[in-house]
Amino acid sequence: QLQLQESGPGVVKPSQTLSLTCSVSGGSISSGDAYWSWIRQHPGKGLEWIGYIYHSGSTHSNPSLKSRVTISVDRSTNQFSLMLTSVTAADTAVYFCARASGLRAVWTYWGQGSLVTVSS
Amino acid sequence: EIVMTQSPATLSVSPGERVTLSCRASQSVSSNLAWFQQKPGQAPRLLVYAASTRATGVPARFSGRGSGTEFTLTISSLQSEDFAVYFCQQYNDWLMYSFGQGTKLEIK
Repeated sequence: QLQLQESGPGVVKPSQTLSLTCSVSGGSISSGDAYWSWIRQHPGKGLEWIGYIYHSGSTHSNPSLKSRVTISVDRSTNQFSLMLTSVTAADTAVYFCARASGLRAVWTYWGQGSLVTVSS
Repeated sequence: EIVMTQSPATLSVSPGERVTLSCRASQSVSSNLAWFQQKPGQAPRLLVYAASTRATGVPARFSGRGSGTEFTLTISSLQSEDFAVYFCQQYNDWLMYSFGQGTKLEIK
């Protein structure tokens, strides 16, 4: 059974860079047509897609965040990562990693989520 | 961006009742529509994909319908564990995935 687990600092200071890692177990990050995404949820609010990466390294991000987002993959450790620069309080959210089997496909597997608070 | 609009925002219902949740897309998403259930402190759980296909392990009381811009999720007889928030999500536009704002099912 595929499992995803987010990890990273729970608090980030304003203007700094948020960094999270998603560790994948029970399967290879390089398998088939798997696309690995980051999704966030502001406290008490809805869900917002941040971006995805393919194991080859090709990525695409939400245009509203694109200038601040970097998603990378490390096939040797079966992990992928998110960096979000110049954070503000508006970036306080629970960050989820998730997997879909293709671009036009659903996120079947999700991590449990990691709360990141932007605060000085 | 395809805007997904769910209605109602909150629904107060009693266990055993039948309930239908609605989701509308601002432009056609074909059948590339999923429904998720989310409980407090948990990740979303996939219920339905391709508008009407139940995900593995999802009870038969959940059913999805629709295509194009209008979609529904019906729960035929509400169980206590079904009280949660439900989100629809389009994955037709893979350059900009988008979610509805959610419908909260609460106990009447």
